[in-house]
Amino acid sequence: DVKVTQSSRYLVKRTGEKVFLECVQDMDHENMFWYRQDPGLGLRLIYFSYDVKMKEKGDIPEGYSVSREKKERFSLILESASTNQTSMYLCASSARGQFYEQYFGPGTRLTVT
Amino acid sequence: GESVGLHLPTLSVQEGDNSIINCAYSNSASDYFIWYKQESGKGPQFIIDIRSNMDKRQGQRVTVLLNKTVKHLSLQIAATQPGDSAVYFCAENPDSSYKLIFGSGTRLLVRP
Repeated sequence: DVKVTQSSRYLVKRTGEKVFLECVQDMDHENMFWYRQDPGLGLRLIYFSYDVKMKEKGDIPEGYSVSREKKERFSLILESASTNQTSMYLCASSARGQFYEQYFGPGTRLTVT
Repeated sequence: GESVGLHLPTLSVQEGDNSIINCAYSNSASDYFIWYKQESGKGPQFIIDIRSNMDKRQGQRVTVLLNKTVKHLSLQIAATQPGDSAVYFCAENPDSSYKLIFGSGTRLLVRP
């Protein structure tokens, strides 16, 4: 069974902290994605990676960075967390050349106080 | 479970009835359209996609219809079951890139 796992289901951090969200997939997928999901706004793409050490900005990359040192792992970093980054963060993966059928993790609910 | 949206449009149907979930998309140049299902506390799950050169595609108990004239997409679920209760998102791919544009979702509630 295909699986995308995220390091935490719930996370509470303080303003200004550096936050790491980890995502691991076991499907040997080349593509990995980080989205945030807010009520009424659907999913918005933060960053995309198509290979190890390769990344592309999504629609809302400001305030975020990513790291992909291994194929199966894609990390989202909030350099200095702010309250407007309180959100649900979803990681996804897909096979090479396949952008439509993405496999999502369960999400991390991040609250920044 | 986790709520994905507090003020989503909601469709309530009787178990066994057919459901039709609608979506208006924005870009007439979009090449692919996709439907995702998100159950409470879970990430979205791919259901079905359709390319812009088609107007209908069928899957298992689901049918997607595409009307490019009015930029409208619909997902039909036959014989709706309690397990179909979820939030359904449509998405479009405007430039054949990795970027999908997701709609805000519709909540489907199935009454027993």
